[in-house]
Amino acid sequence: GIQVEQSPPDLILQEGANSTLRCNFSDSVNNLQWFHQNPWGQLINLFYIPSGTKQNGRLSATTVATERYSLLYISSSQTTDSGVYFCAATQTGANNLFFGTGTRLTVIP
Amino acid sequence: DGGITQSPKYLFRKEGQNVTLSCEQNLNHDAMYWYRQDPGQGLRLIYYSQIVNDFQKGDIAEGYSVSREKKESFPLTVTSAQKNPTAFYLCASSIKSGRAFNEQFFGPGTRLTVL
Repeated sequence: GIQVEQSPPDLILQEGANSTLRCNFSDSVNNLQWFHQNPWGQLINLFYIPSGTKQNGRLSATTVATERYSLLYISSSQTTDSGVYFCAATQTGANNLFFGTGTRLTVIP
Repeated sequence: DGGITQSPKYLFRKEGQNVTLSCEQNLNHDAMYWYRQDPGQGLRLIYYSQIVNDFQKGDIAEGYSVSREKKESFPLTVTSAQKNPTAFYLCASSIKSGRAFNEQFFGPGTRLTVL
């Protein structure tokens, strides 16, 4: 299956700072999703973004499918942004989501 | 409310016992999925089903079984053959668009502990 790599593995930010999380994938994709896992384990859908750019409030994402990477931008971070951010991708022609190992974000006041 | 429900939230099992985890969705989604998450790891696919009465093995299907008798329901049985069943189990569903299955949405999960 497709390989999905996320960086950095851990990130500590001061409240109000901006950050960029990266996701590299090894093959062409027909699905690319970003999730936030909260402390209770719930996976929250952030973006469905196999290509292009989307924005939702303080969060935005860009996927450059031809170069096989996606970026998640968090601006003006808040303590409630803390948690683990996962990128997951489905290889073109397949139906299974493959997950990266996540970026653990800690926002300190 | 529309959504995906999983029960129970926490489950304790003795070694050698089978246990069934419930997953129900009222989103009218075509496909349903079961994933396993171990501490500090991403999710790995156990089984998925694209249509009623049909399902496919994922990457780590050994020691698990599923059924899909209704579109809304996709229960997962963790059998005694699963060597290391303690984990967080998440169910997901997605709608079919053309030949592809699109954005997946997840339930709240079940934490299984084997004593």
